[in-house]
Amino acid sequence: KNEVEQSPQNLTAQEGEFITINCSYSVGISALHWLQQHPGGGIVSLFMLSSGKKKHGRLIATINIQEKHSSLHITASHPRDSAVYICAVKTSGSRLTFGEGTQLTVNP
Amino acid sequence: DTEVTQTPKHLVMGMTNKKSLKCEQHMGHRAMYWYKQKAKKPPELMFVYSYEKLSINESVPSRFSPECPNSSLLNLHLHALQPEDSALYLCASSEGVLSNYEQYFGPGTRLTVT
Repeated sequence: KNEVEQSPQNLTAQEGEFITINCSYSVGISALHWLQQHPGGGIVSLFMLSSGKKKHGRLIATINIQEKHSSLHITASHPRDSAVYICAVKTSGSRLTFGEGTQLTVNP
Repeated sequence: DTEVTQTPKHLVMGMTNKKSLKCEQHMGHRAMYWYKQKAKKPPELMFVYSYEKLSINESVPSRFSPECPNSSLLNLHLHALQPEDSALYLCASSEGVLSNYEQYFGPGTRLTVT
């Protein structure tokens, strides 16, 4: 079993829909990252959080440390949100442990 | 400037070639990282440099040779690669190696070994 599990693996939505991607982890962590990767490569860091909730534009990330669970929400989804969303946790020092990613496709 | 740059964007090389990947950041970060990412898989950590010294080598084959000439630059020297080494190579940097520092990723170099 992976230390970081994401669900769903693939998600297709219509433009405007509210989207939730989930991340569960089985180890003690110091921080959790949500990353976005568009086709062609580069990774963008969306959030780093260790407790509570953060919001940036249409994106909201929450974390429940006791339940070892985090969610990434996208409100009013748009085709440009289509990307792979990756949950990654920091257990100690500099190492990130990555989930397998969620491929999101938003259709117009 | 919150950017990590990588060159080249794409690289095709033969198994006998020697080439280098370059990464640069001007954020004053003291930790820099190389990751390898195969298609539809998450990134795998290869090397970590902290204050220009190699602090983590994730048992990477010696045909990959990292170098950190100064705090802004990170190179990855490639020699005698195999076709299975074809992947996206990502560089990242952070203020330090402690866990509360965010990593910033570059756009990657897509490497094809023929």
